[in-house]
Amino acid sequence: DGGITQSPKYLFRKEGQNVTLSCEQNLNHDAMYWYRQDPGQGLRLIYYSQIVNDFQKGDIAEGYSVSREKKESFPLTVTSAQKNPTAFYLCASRGSMNTEAFFGQGTRLTVV
Amino acid sequence: SQKIEQNSEALNIQEGKTATLTCNYTNYSPAYLQWYRQDPGRGPVFLLLIRENEKEKRKERLKVTFDTTLKQSLFHITASQPADSATYLCALAPNSGGYQKVTFGTGTKLQVIP
Repeated sequence: DGGITQSPKYLFRKEGQNVTLSCEQNLNHDAMYWYRQDPGQGLRLIYYSQIVNDFQKGDIAEGYSVSREKKESFPLTVTSAQKNPTAFYLCASRGSMNTEAFFGQGTRLTVV
Repeated sequence: SQKIEQNSEALNIQEGKTATLTCNYTNYSPAYLQWYRQDPGRGPVFLLLIRENEKEKRKERLKVTFDTTLKQSLFHITASQPADSATYLCALAPNSGGYQKVTFGTGTKLQVIP
């Protein structure tokens, strides 16, 4: 089945640690996105990539980093510089012929 | 600044009735508007898209209207079922800038009571 997969579903991080969230898609989509969702707020764009080996900062990129070495993969690293990392993180992809995005199931990150 | 407003309070309706959700926006001229469904702990799923030059779009029990004068979209679910219970997000896309410029609302939680 084609789709977009995020892992893990739940992630716990100690303060000061970097953690990496995985996002893989087999939809052959060029564009991929990372969003953060907090209660009472709309999805906020962290980073996006429109093609392999290229990515751009979104609205709230500080404290995060990404890579796009393969078309299928767009991992997000939450660094220790992110002061409030506890949130629900969503990865999405979009084909050039699509106006809508296809979302993964999300990763809930909690700082302990 | 651009602003999207969805009713933050949950909407409770009786099974079989029509649910109507509202998406209002200001300081925005969207090229199109999308509606997504999001279940707890899951990612959003695309439902419908309506373009700025369209007044109404239908898909099975779903209907979306788009009034660019009122700057409002209404999302209707007819003959609602308990399985329709979820949070519904609206998203607005500008005329240029790509999907990275799409702005999402906070969502309205719908509860359909059997």
